Amino acid sequence: EVQLVESGGGLVQPGGSLRLSCAASGFTFSDHFMNWVRQAPGKGLEWVALIRNKGNSYSTEYAASVKGRLTISRDDSKNSLYLQMNSLRAEDTAVYYCGRDPDGSGYFDHWGQGTLVTVSS
Amino acid sequence: SYELTQPPSVSLAPGQTARITCGGNNIGAHSVHWYRQKPGQAPVLLVYHDTGRPSGIPERFSGSNSGNTATLTISRVEAGDEADYYCQVWENTRDHQGVFGGGTKLTVL
Repeated sequence: EVQLVESGGGLVQPGGSLRLSCAASGFTFSDHFMNWVRQAPGKGLEWVALIRNKGNSYSTEYAASVKGRLTISRDDSKNSLYLQMNSLRAEDTAVYYCGRDPDGSGYFDHWGQGTLVTVSS
Repeated sequence: SYELTQPPSVSLAPGQTARITCGGNNIGAHSVHWYRQKPGQAPVLLVYHDTGRPSGIPERFSGSNSGNTATLTISRVEAGDEADYYCQVWENTRDHQGVFGGGTKLTVL
């Protein structure tokens, strides 16, 4: 059974940093592109970042709203996905989900349960 | 950047057919994917590549895509279908990024 479990969320002050993790199991993690998607309270879904697999040089893509502040990475030896969040703003407050792309074509067939990040003083 | 437009809400009675639209410039040239999200839960994939249905998703859920509009059709709507529904594409022209529609709240009267 595919499982994705996010962790690392919490309360952080504006300008602060946080690192989210997503632990994967039940599939060959290293084969898949992985994503972060977020949802602000009461709002819709917003794609955040993509990291491709080793065969695609671990290349990354970012939403314009987070480029330069958030960094996606992965450790295939630990079956884990990460999101390093720097220079956080109030508008980054959201539930952050990790999502698996099944075949590299840009959709998400499995999602974690999400972790809440709150940016507030 | 590419934009997807969904109606904020759709309401209908049990047993009716719901059609949730997703508008975008020449969206027919994109692969469209649909997700359902119930309150407090993670999204669930309902339809992929316009018409594909993951295992475990009932045949009542179907998709179509042509021109400037993609549509998620839910036949014989049930109370348990009440949720938010999102369309999504991967934009590969100028920017390589995921794009979601704003979401549609389906209310079963």
